[in-house]
Formats: sequence, C-alpha cells, structure tokens
Amino acid sequence: QLRLQESGPGLVEPSETLSLTCTVSGVSISTSYSYWGWIRQPPGKGLEWIGGIFHTGTTYYNPSLRSRVTISADTSKNQFSLRLTHVTAADTAIFYCVRKNNDAFDIWGQGTMVTISS
Amino acid sequence: QSALTQPASVSGSPGQSITISCTGTSSFVETYNLVSWYQQHPGKAPKLLIYEVTKRPSGVSYRFSGSESGNTASLTISGLQAEDEADYYCCSHAGSGTWVFGGGTHLTVL
Repeated sequence: QLRLQESGPGLVEPSETLSLTCTVSGVSISTSYSYWGWIRQPPGKGLEWIGGIFHTGTTYYNPSLRSRVTISADTSKNQFSLRLTHVTAADTAIFYCVRKNNDAFDIWGQGTMVTISS
Repeated sequence: QSALTQPASVSGSPGQSITISCTGTSSFVETYNLVSWYQQHPGKAPKLLIYEVTKRPSGVSYRFSGSESGNTASLTISGLQAEDEADYYCCSHAGSGTWVFGGGTHLTVL
C-alpha cells in the first residue's frame, strides 16, 4: 500500500529555513512518470500548492514562492524534501506531501504542522 | 485572492443534491480540462473525489460527479448524507507545470 509520511521540526524561528522530508513507502519515487509534491494549509484557511518534482528531477514551483523554495529527492532513501527559506509567521501551516497521478493529487500524507515563531 | 473562485459555503438537506462551482479568473479551466476536486473533513488530509473534470477514482461514491462549462467547473453531490458535511476544494492546472486551488467551500448538511 502506498503511503507518504512527513517529518521535520514543528517549530521554526522567523527568518530561518524550514526543512521537511516525505518518506514514501509502497512504490519507488523514481518510477517512470511519477510526480511528488508539497501542499500547505495555513490554520483555518485553504490549500496552496507549493511545488513538485518529477521522477526525472525536474521541478516546478508556485510562482509566489519560487524564490524561497527548493524541492529535491533522494532516491536511495525513497524520500523527497522541501526547503523554504526566510520564513515568516505567514508560512505557519500544515504541510502535506502528495503524489500526483492522472493530473490530480491522489495520495496525501497525514500532514505536519509547522509553526513559525521565536 | 485565489485564481479559482468557489462559494464560501453551501448547504442542503439530506437526500437533496447540491452543486459547488469553481470559476477560473483566467481561461486555464477550459484550456487544460484538468480540474480535480477534494473533500476535507476537520483535522484530516484532503481526499481526491474527482480528477480530469469528470472521472471518479476507485472507491469514491457515485454520488459525487464533476462537470465543466466554459471556464467553470462544478462538483455535484447527490443524495446528500450527513457525512458529506466537509470542506471541498477544486484544483486546476494553471500552465507551465503549476497548479492552483480554489478557496474552498464549506458544505453544511442541514
């Protein structure tokens, strides 16, 4: 069964870098045509697509976050990661890692809450 | 402001049908025909209900259906049940490998 699990610190100080990892089980992230991504949801608000990475390593980012976001993959660990630099309180959110299949986000991790605060 | 506009809330009684609209501020909804819909219960991760405008993943109830007219996509839920009370989000490909979500609609089952 395909599963995604986010991990990382729940508290990050303002201006620092947020780093999260998603561990995938049940399928190889390097499978052809596979796409893995990140979506966030501020408390009480809607969903925002952050970006994604194809099995080829090609990445796509939300234009509003592009200057601060990096998504990478470690195929040896079957993980992919998110780095968001220069965070502010506005980046406080639940972060979900997802798989995109058939042009939709069909598998979601349970989500991890990250609070930006000193 | 989201590039996809959804009503903030809708409501219906058990057994009724409701429709949630999702209108793109640009033409990407009708250009790409890659709209998906998600259901989110409180404290839970979203769940995929509809992909590629009208297709239902395995395991999703037939009561959920999607459609599109011009630059507006719609999700219809028929035979409303109490468990359908949740937040619903549309999502569309927006070109250049990017994706955008609607602001979300809260469904209340009266």
